[in-house]
Amino acid sequence: DIQMTQSPSTLSASVGDRVTITCRASERISNWLAWYQQKPGKAPKVLIYKASSLESGVPSRFSGSGSGTEFTLTISSLQPDDFATYYCQQYKNSWTFGQGTKVEIK
Amino acid sequence: EVQLAESGGGLIQPGGSLRLSCAASGFTVNSIYMSWVRQAPGKGLEWVSTIYSGGTTYYADSVEGRFTISRDSSKNMLFLQMNSLRAEDTAVYYCATLRSSGSSDFNSWGRGTLVTVSS
Repeated sequence: DIQMTQSPSTLSASVGDRVTITCRASERISNWLAWYQQKPGKAPKVLIYKASSLESGVPSRFSGSGSGTEFTLTISSLQPDDFATYYCQQYKNSWTFGQGTKVEIK
Repeated sequence: EVQLAESGGGLIQPGGSLRLSCAASGFTVNSIYMSWVRQAPGKGLEWVSTIYSGGTTYYADSVEGRFTISRDSSKNMLFLQMNSLRAEDTAVYYCATLRSSGSSDFNSWGRGTLVTVSS
């Protein structure tokens, strides 16, 4: 099974900050990676798919990069609506999520 | 517009059975790939099962042999039959659509239904 490891687990940041979350795969997954945002009591929402493709309707301050085993999600300027938990997911072989990164207010 | 609405969750004793439903609108359930994903209280997301448009099914090791995914195109609904339930199956269960056939992310999600396995 492919394991996904996110870092950090928790991130404290302020509005306007540039935020980067890292995701590592236990084996090469090409660009078969997605990023999701989840707010408390809500379903996850896809932000990025195929490592760097922005989902329709998602603000351009979100971007994804990487290939192989190392991936990043970047929020260029953190907004109040962005405080949430973020998950990466590989879909090269079955489907596996990272453990999540909670972005909280500093 | 794609819409998904799960139902059927509740409190069930260990060893019991439960059938979850997911009502779909905006597409037909047998035309795309669909999945169930669960989230234990305070924990992360875990893929449970997927059914391909052709009917092929896949399961996580943790539910293989106990859960069955199926669909009814006449009702436009997806189902998850859960048998031999365990305390560790307690979670919110989401149904989701896959963006495309083959390797794909989950691009639409329902709001989820809570399953609690406890005596």
